[in-house]
Amino acid sequence: GQSLEQPSEVTAVEGAIVQINCTYQTSGFYGLSWYQQHDGGAPTFLSYNALDGLEETGRFSSFLSRSDSYGYLLLQELQMKDSASYFCAVSTDSWGKLQFGAGTQVVVTP
Amino acid sequence: DTEVTQTPKHLVMGMTNKKSLKCEQHMGHRAMYWYKQKAKKPPELMFVYSYEKLSINESVPSRFSPECPNSSLLNLHLHALQPEDSALYLCASSQGSRTSGGNTGELFFGEGSRLTVL
Repeated sequence: GQSLEQPSEVTAVEGAIVQINCTYQTSGFYGLSWYQQHDGGAPTFLSYNALDGLEETGRFSSFLSRSDSYGYLLLQELQMKDSASYFCAVSTDSWGKLQFGAGTQVVVTP
Repeated sequence: DTEVTQTPKHLVMGMTNKKSLKCEQHMGHRAMYWYKQKAKKPPELMFVYSYEKLSINESVPSRFSPECPNSSLLNLHLHALQPEDSALYLCASSQGSRTSGGNTGELFFGEGSRLTVL
């Protein structure tokens, strides 16, 4: 079967660093994406890893290890606006069809 | 223009009504998607259109009927829905490719149509 596992909730204070882990088991793997979704909003793309290694985009970084079927999203210098749900998602075909994890609710406190 | 536009934003319908959700993108993307999302849950894939042809139907009940009139438009026709179909319906598009080189892992989502079935 297909599955993606990520923690359900993480709480941290402003300025802290948070790492959200994602392990996956899917038939077909083209890459691992991360999306942010605020309450009432649409998912927005954060990053994509097709190859092993670290991708850095501003305060957010994403890592992939294909051999371990594992990736993570690193959120640095947390801000209140980072409070949202974060989804890892596996691309299972060349078109970009995504299989989403259950999501991690990140709560940032003052 | 990097937007995916969905209408209506909110829709309330009875179980005997027929309604349609509309989605439009002008990014030249060749893949378009319908996802359904319940509160506190991840988006669930319903349909995928690639080059205006239905390529994936994730065993969606026939009361949901997708249509892709052209490369920029995607519709979802709704008929005889059930209260459990109440959800946020998200349209998305991607650059897509018949080869893996075109896959950037990025879907562009619209703001969604929030559907309530009474």
